[in-house]
Amino acid sequence: AQSVTQLDSQVPVFEEAPVELRCNYSSSVSVYLFWYVQYPNQGLQLLLKYLSGSTLVKGINGFEAEFNKSQTSFHLRKPSVHISDTAEYFCAVRTSGGSYIPTFGRGTSLIVHP
Amino acid sequence: DVKVTQSSRYLVKRTGEKVFLECVQDMDHENMFWYRQDPGLGLRLIYFSYDVKMKEKGDIPEGYSVSREKKERFSLILESASTNQTSMYLCASSLIAGGRYNEQFFGPGTRLTVL
Repeated sequence: AQSVTQLDSQVPVFEEAPVELRCNYSSSVSVYLFWYVQYPNQGLQLLLKYLSGSTLVKGINGFEAEFNKSQTSFHLRKPSVHISDTAEYFCAVRTSGGSYIPTFGRGTSLIVHP
Repeated sequence: DVKVTQSSRYLVKRTGEKVFLECVQDMDHENMFWYRQDPGLGLRLIYFSYDVKMKEKGDIPEGYSVSREKKERFSLILESASTNQTSMYLCASSLIAGGRYNEQFFGPGTRLTVL
């Protein structure tokens, strides 16, 4: 069975500072990895995904994530955040070739202060 | 662009009422999902469907049922609403299993309050 751990429930940061949101997963087989963002009072939208190939994945709004197989991690980073990045961020994992149902982490609330 | 719509953004119901939440997707996706989202608990899968008239229980199906009579529509039913079903409900859709690019597409959510 697969599982996802988002290590921080809340990350406060000042505007223009860098940020890293951590995600670790556990799975005995190959995985597909996703980060979703949820702005206040909205549904989730895909930020980026790792399927195969380059371990550094670039997404929308200047976010990127690095797949680290040995560490079983998929941390999300942005070099300089904006107020508008304030949102809930969810990491999700799905096993390749297996069930099409992803497992979601509990979410990290990114709070950007001016 | 894939569009997933949900019938209501906000809904207030009384304990014991029967509640219908509707979800429609316009991209011919085979899979559809219902989640509830609660603070600190993330997304929990209630039911999913991989084809018309097919359904499978998720992690927390108790107190809920679903209906999928047409490919584009997936309904969540609360037979007798209770206060502990007050939550945000999210619908999602995706392409069929085996597709490498089958990330989920989400609707805007329905915030249900049961009084």
